[in-house]
Amino acid sequence: DQQVKQNSPSLSVQEGRISILNCDYTNSMFDYFLWYKKYPAEGPTFLISISSIKDKNEDGRFTVFLNKSAKHLSLHIVPSQPGDSAVYFCAAITQGGSEKLVFGKGTKLTVNP
Amino acid sequence: SQTIHQWPATLVQPVGSPLSLECTVEGTSNPNLYWYRQAAGRGLQLLFYSVGIGQISSEVPQNLSASRPQDRQFILSSKKLLLSDSGFYLCAWSRLGPVYFGQGTRLTVV
Repeated sequence: DQQVKQNSPSLSVQEGRISILNCDYTNSMFDYFLWYKKYPAEGPTFLISISSIKDKNEDGRFTVFLNKSAKHLSLHIVPSQPGDSAVYFCAAITQGGSEKLVFGKGTKLTVNP
Repeated sequence: SQTIHQWPATLVQPVGSPLSLECTVEGTSNPNLYWYRQAAGRGLQLLFYSVGIGQISSEVPQNLSASRPQDRQFILSSKKLLLSDSGFYLCAWSRLGPVYFGQGTRLTVV
């Protein structure tokens, strides 16, 4: 059973436009959500996170939105840059619980110059 | 600041040979430690996690094992590698916040 789902395996956007990466989850016990960026042959890099007590968190060009009722979160990148091209993973965890971070399968973002 | 070291970066091993991947974390104490695997074209699969010395939880039945002999040391092992063990192995740590990853080990079993 896949608890964290990223239904779009890939996304292509033009430089300067907005990139929107989506993620759905099924476990209502998740209360902390994270986005990671991964280049080939490297470990994932933590980007941004959001607690379930918030519905939005912003850090520079990156904003994460959380809709708890829909069990949906999204990552917005504005403006998109060619260096943003990577695989983006959504992850979720129940804090104070099993300490297991559950990942989606990732979305490959390509930003075209 | 905290850093995580994982080695080797790449490894080619014959089927049936043993495996030992090591990971150490600096700059923190009593971290949660994790081993993940990314198989070709797939997401990140949690293999093992540890909340303390000698405490190992296995997520997926497999040919691998993990040990935590010291607070900031996590080791992934196998007695006999299978072809299906090939993949990108990632060590990670967390402590009351995001999980941070090492640079990974590309294991190819031939």
